[in-house]
Amino acid sequence: SQQGEEDPQALSIQEGENATMNCSYKTSINNLQWYRQNSGRGLVHLILIRSNEREKHSGRLRVTLDTSKKSSSLLITASRAADTASYFCATKGGIWDYGQNFVFGPGTRLSVLP
Amino acid sequence: DAGVTQSPTHLIKTRGQQVTLRCSPKSGHDTVSWYQQALGQGPQFIFQYYEEEERQRGNFPDRFSGHQFPNYSSELNVNALLLGDSALYLCASSRDSSSYNEQFFGPGTRLTVL
Repeated sequence: SQQGEEDPQALSIQEGENATMNCSYKTSINNLQWYRQNSGRGLVHLILIRSNEREKHSGRLRVTLDTSKKSSSLLITASRAADTASYFCATKGGIWDYGQNFVFGPGTRLSVLP
Repeated sequence: DAGVTQSPTHLIKTRGQQVTLRCSPKSGHDTVSWYQQALGQGPQFIFQYYEEEERQRGNFPDRFSGHQFPNYSSELNVNALLLGDSALYLCASSRDSSSYNEQFFGPGTRLTVL
C-alpha cells in the first residue's frame, strides 16, 4: 500500500486564495518532499523537509511536518492560475525501512480558477 | 545542465510486444530510479540502479527489467506487454552520496498498449 495519502483528492479555489493540501504517512521517515505535476508531465521538485524540521518556506510555499501525527501540509499562498496542477507528497524512509526509493501518495488535483 | 532526459516521448505498442525506454541522468548523478504512473495515480517505484546493478525493486513482475551503463544512463525493458502496462514511465536521478537523495525527474515516456 502507498505510504503517503494526500487530502483532499481534488481542490478548486479562486485566484488569490490560499490552497492547503495535507499528506499522511504510515512509518518513520528520513525526509518528506512535495512535487508538482502539470497535466501528465514530469514531476517538479518543490520542497524537501527533513524529519528534524517542523516548517519550511520557499517563496509562496509553506510546508509543515508533524512527525508525531505522521502528517505534513503544503500551503500555497496567493494562488495563481499557473498553480493548477497535481501535487504529490513523497516520503523517504530510513535505510532500514524503504532503502533509497521514495513512496508517493495518490496526489491532490488543484484547480485555480481565474 | 540538461537535467534528466528520457526517450522516446510517446510510444504505442500492441499486447505481447516488448519495449525499451531510455533515461539519461542529470549531470553529476549516479543513481537512476524508474517509476510507473497510471492515469490519476501517484508514481509507483519499479526499481533503482546504482553502479550498474539493480539495488532495490518494487512490487513489479520480472517482465520489467533494466540496465545501467557505465555513463550512468539507464534502460527500462518491459516484455510481453499487457494493456495494464499503459502508463507514464518516469525516470529520476540522484546522487547516492547525498544524505537526502533528492530526486530529479525527467519528463516521462507515455506508453500506450493496444
